[in-house]
Amino acid sequence: GQNIDQPTEMTATEGAIVQINCTYQTSGFNGLFWYQQHAGEAPTFLSYNVLDGLEEKGRFSSFLSRSKGYSYLLLKELQMKDSASYLCAVRDPGGGSYIPTFGRGTSLIVHP
Amino acid sequence: ETGVTQTPRHLVMGMTNKKSLKCEQHLGHNAMYWYKQSAKKPLELMFVYSLEERVENNSVPSRFSPECPNSSHLFLHLHTLQPEDSALYLCASSQGSRTGYNEQFFGPGTRLTVL
Repeated sequence: GQNIDQPTEMTATEGAIVQINCTYQTSGFNGLFWYQQHAGEAPTFLSYNVLDGLEEKGRFSSFLSRSKGYSYLLLKELQMKDSASYLCAVRDPGGGSYIPTFGRGTSLIVHP
Repeated sequence: ETGVTQTPRHLVMGMTNKKSLKCEQHLGHNAMYWYKQSAKKPLELMFVYSLEERVENNSVPSRFSPECPNSSHLFLHLHTLQPEDSALYLCASSQGSRTGYNEQFFGPGTRLTVL
């Protein structure tokens, strides 16, 4: 089976740094995705990790530790427009397919 | 512009109606997906079509039936739905195969309300 956990909601202040965690228990692992979804809009791709370590892309970075079944998304210099839901998705070939499974998402609220 | 379009954007239907959702991707991808998104729940994969496989989530009721006439178009046919089927239905596409699918590009979704 697959189990992907994320905090339900987080709040942070404009200009600050926030870390959104994702833990997973899967029978296999072949990559982890992060998506951003603004209210009423489609999810959009942010980052992909398949090897351990940090991937940096502008204000956003994503980290992966395969041995710990753990990833985080780091958002720096927060802006009001970063208020959105952040979705973690894990690709687990142990289930017979390489289609990612999504977590419930973390709703991030950025306030002034 | 994500390159994935969905129609209609909003749909209200009675339990006895038959309707279809349409998705079209202009990205040259070889895999297309239907997801259901309900409040406070994870994105639920319903169906996947790719060159190498068709995947169906066994928990999806038979009142939902997909159709994929080619790699650019995907339909979701709806009949005798229930109020609990009210949700946002998202279409997505990606490039890949059974050895690995790349990131997905999502359409704007169809907000479905079943009365």
